[in-house]
Amino acid sequence: DAKTTQPNSMESNEEEPVHLPCNHSTISGTDYIHWYRQLPSQGPEYVIHGLTSNVNNRMASLAIAEDRKSSTLILHRATLRDAAVYYCILRDGGATNKLIFGTGTLLAVQP
Amino acid sequence: NAGVTQTPKFRILKIGQSMTLQCTQDMNHNYMYWYRQDPGMGLKLIYYSVGAGITDKGEVPNGYNVSRSTTEDFPLRLELAAPSQTSVYFCASSYSAGFEAFFGQGTRLTVV
Repeated sequence: DAKTTQPNSMESNEEEPVHLPCNHSTISGTDYIHWYRQLPSQGPEYVIHGLTSNVNNRMASLAIAEDRKSSTLILHRATLRDAAVYYCILRDGGATNKLIFGTGTLLAVQP
Repeated sequence: NAGVTQTPKFRILKIGQSMTLQCTQDMNHNYMYWYRQDPGMGLKLIYYSVGAGITDKGEVPNGYNVSRSTTEDFPLRLELAAPSQTSVYFCASSYSAGFEAFFGQGTRLTVV
């Protein structure tokens, strides 16, 4: 299973943009890049995913490097509710479709 | 639309007891997963299934068993519970890697 590397923690100020990086140098051609977040005492929640092109949705944007060895989750205006652990996951697009979590980035948002 | 439903939400087991954690989804997803999350840690994959009748081990399968007789249900069985199995258990389901995964609200299990 391909691995991802994320910073253990990051801090942001409320209403400012946040860029959460993820390195995945061993990504294969069939791996999708997924991001999930986990708020305190809750189950993981889907944020966004992509394969090769940048993606936008109502929650965030995903910027994928041209060589696909890294990606960045962008929260355009952080709110206190965005304080969570953010997981970058490579999801095998082959037979197993396994979803393996790493250690994630703990995002703190200051008012 | 109920999504992924886990029961029970909380359970206390004595050492050596057995129990089944239930997981059901109403989205007709082929892929289903069981995870455990120890306090302050990330999620670890226990077992997964790519469809009815097909299951496989994840990262930490010891002490657990699963079955997948229908598309909707994916129960996780704990035999001979041990304190090391004290954790929060999450079930998830998805169409495939190109789609989002949906998670249940979790089952908090304490083994004493």
